[in-house]
Amino acid sequence: QQPVQSPQAVILREGEDAVINCSSSKALYSVHWYRQKHGEAPVFLMILLKGGEQKGHEKISASFNEKKQQSSLYLTASQLSYSGTYFCGTEIGDAGNMLTFGGGTRLMVKP
Amino acid sequence: DTGVSQNPRHKITKRGQNVTFRCDPISEHNRLYWYRQTLGQGPEFLTYFQNEAQLEKSRLLSDRFSAERPKGSFSTLEIQRTEQGDSAMYLCASSLGSGLETQYFGPGTRLLVL
Repeated sequence: QQPVQSPQAVILREGEDAVINCSSSKALYSVHWYRQKHGEAPVFLMILLKGGEQKGHEKISASFNEKKQQSSLYLTASQLSYSGTYFCGTEIGDAGNMLTFGGGTRLMVKP
Repeated sequence: DTGVSQNPRHKITKRGQNVTFRCDPISEHNRLYWYRQTLGQGPEFLTYFQNEAQLEKSRLLSDRFSAERPKGSFSTLEIQRTEQGDSAMYLCASSLGSGLETQYFGPGTRLLVL
């Protein structure tokens, strides 16, 4: 079952914040976040393991709510380079299995 | 460059022809994954290998699709008797294979079936 991402698209001004959500109907082992720019490969951002973990990477952080089977990606003080499509990939069962990706969230940051 | 590489980057073919794509994973990565991505969608899992063993295949992978990883290093994905619906970006990813896995993606092969 494909995870559901929301919103589908968001437009920001430089310096604004955004939250992208990823929800699953299945119990998850982990959530992987990627950013993909047009015509390029998805680039890994971070992994979150079940247990309510929160991680950060510069001004991008994420959380995983195991009770809700939902992960959120937080983009603070957005930069032009944050533009792209963000995908969550979910993993059930043990580590090292295939990822099931959501439909993506298109983020555009304007000057 | 020590990332995942894929060849060719682009392929245009006529319906009914066979095509083969190659993926070279990051060296020492034991796991190799194939995904397909169509415009505006997230990648869809096709199959994955642990060393040379093909461990899982998606039901999306029809009989016309076959993948190999003969020596546990590079992998090939072959599509026989291509159809227009096969037009997509074919992405390869690799991971270390030793626990919580980060999958690193290659640049993909964009296939257009006319």
